[in-house]
Amino acid sequence: DTGVSQNPRHKITKRGQNVTFRCDPISEHNRLYWYRQTLGQGPEFLTYFQNEAQLEKSRLLSDRFSAERPKGSFSTLEIQRTEQGDSAMYLCASSLNWYEQYFGPGTRLTVT
Amino acid sequence: AQTVTQSQPEMSVQEAETVTLSCTYDTSENNYYLFWYKQPPSRQMILVIRQEAYKQQNATENRFSVNFQKAAKSFSLKISDSQLGDTAMYFCAFMKLNTGNQFYFGTGTSLTVIP
Repeated sequence: DTGVSQNPRHKITKRGQNVTFRCDPISEHNRLYWYRQTLGQGPEFLTYFQNEAQLEKSRLLSDRFSAERPKGSFSTLEIQRTEQGDSAMYLCASSLNWYEQYFGPGTRLTVT
Repeated sequence: AQTVTQSQPEMSVQEAETVTLSCTYDTSENNYYLFWYKQPPSRQMILVIRQEAYKQQNATENRFSVNFQKAAKSFSLKISDSQLGDTAMYFCAFMKLNTGNQFYFGTGTSLTVIP
């Protein structure tokens, strides 16, 4: 399967701990997006990379959140000092063309 | 700011029947794209259909078609001959051109196809 993959699929952590998620996009896709989806809501944009450059960040991305895409391939999203409000599904999407995004299965984060 | 509204949290349809899901959006942009994405239970989102705002002709994709009314800022999805596999959450999304092309999603409509 050459789709977008995300790891881990599920993460349970205690409040105050740091967590890191990984996204592997479709290999030739130069654009990569992170979204957050809470229960009963649609995905909300967090940040966008074109190759290794982070070109756009939402105000939702507080200073506890950091994302990287060091070599323009996979990306990581780190949340420091997690809070219960961070519990959500974190979705990654990639694209080659600007008019279509392919989504991964997501990482479900539960902060206890 | 762009907003996308889906006013139907849940819908159901009998197998083989037709159902229409509603979506409205608010934007001051003139060039943009609209999408419907499907998210089956515990599975990833997949693109159902896409509409370019500059095209007057409504997009169709097999059993899926849209009714795009630009002046009314309305973008509904019609599913014909509904199948059990159509059971999913459906999200309407807006994308303005440039600046990273981020998507703005509605809150979704949960569709259940009843056998």
